[in-house]
Amino acid sequence: KAGVTQTPRYLIKTRGQQVTLSCSPISGHRSVSWYQQTPGQGLQFLFEYFSETQRNKGNFPGRFSGRQFSNSRSEMNVSTLELGDSALYLCASSWGGTGTAVDTQYFGPGTRLTVL
Amino acid sequence: GQQVMQIPQYQHVQEGEDFTTYCNSSTTLSNIQWYKQRPGGHPVFLIQLVKSGEVKKQKRLTFQFGEAKKNSSLHITATQTTDVGTYFCAPPESNFGNEKLTFGTGTRLTIIP
Repeated sequence: KAGVTQTPRYLIKTRGQQVTLSCSPISGHRSVSWYQQTPGQGLQFLFEYFSETQRNKGNFPGRFSGRQFSNSRSEMNVSTLELGDSALYLCASSWGGTGTAVDTQYFGPGTRLTVL
Repeated sequence: GQQVMQIPQYQHVQEGEDFTTYCNSSTTLSNIQWYKQRPGGHPVFLIQLVKSGEVKKQKRLTFQFGEAKKNSSLHITATQTTDVGTYFCAPPESNFGNEKLTFGTGTRLTIIP
């Protein structure tokens, strides 16, 4: 089975711009979660999508948004980029069929975003 | 809310020495997952512990879940260079009926050959 894929792998943007990141989950997985990883804050949960609906969200400003398509692929958007948004953005997929509980997360390689 | 502390933050060991990382929560946990992230890589699932006092082994790795389900540990016996990476504990946190994973701060393990 192919793993989780994320595109692009690297991205350089300037402050004020917006960015869209893409994630394709493992086939059959219906849940996609997004995490931000920085040296200072560690691994922080952004949001989770299941069956095209946001099922959970972390404590990030509204500039961070996402969506999920009918084929379970997900996109994350960050508008009005700030320097502090520079991070590794990780997407993780899981089966998601255990209701509200968290299944094993299978992570993609991440998108390294640099904001100048 | 739930607070998860993971110690130590860094650990440098000679190859062949043992290594242990601890995860402590302020609240009782329903279960806990452990992940490993190699340098430049992404987190990879290692194990999930569910029962009070549970002990699971994977070759040289031993995972424990405390009797009170408030702490957990990962012990590696006779470390090897392949063990290099950051180890995260990840208990779920309930958020209005839905659970999300909260990752500990991680313990970065480096091996001195």
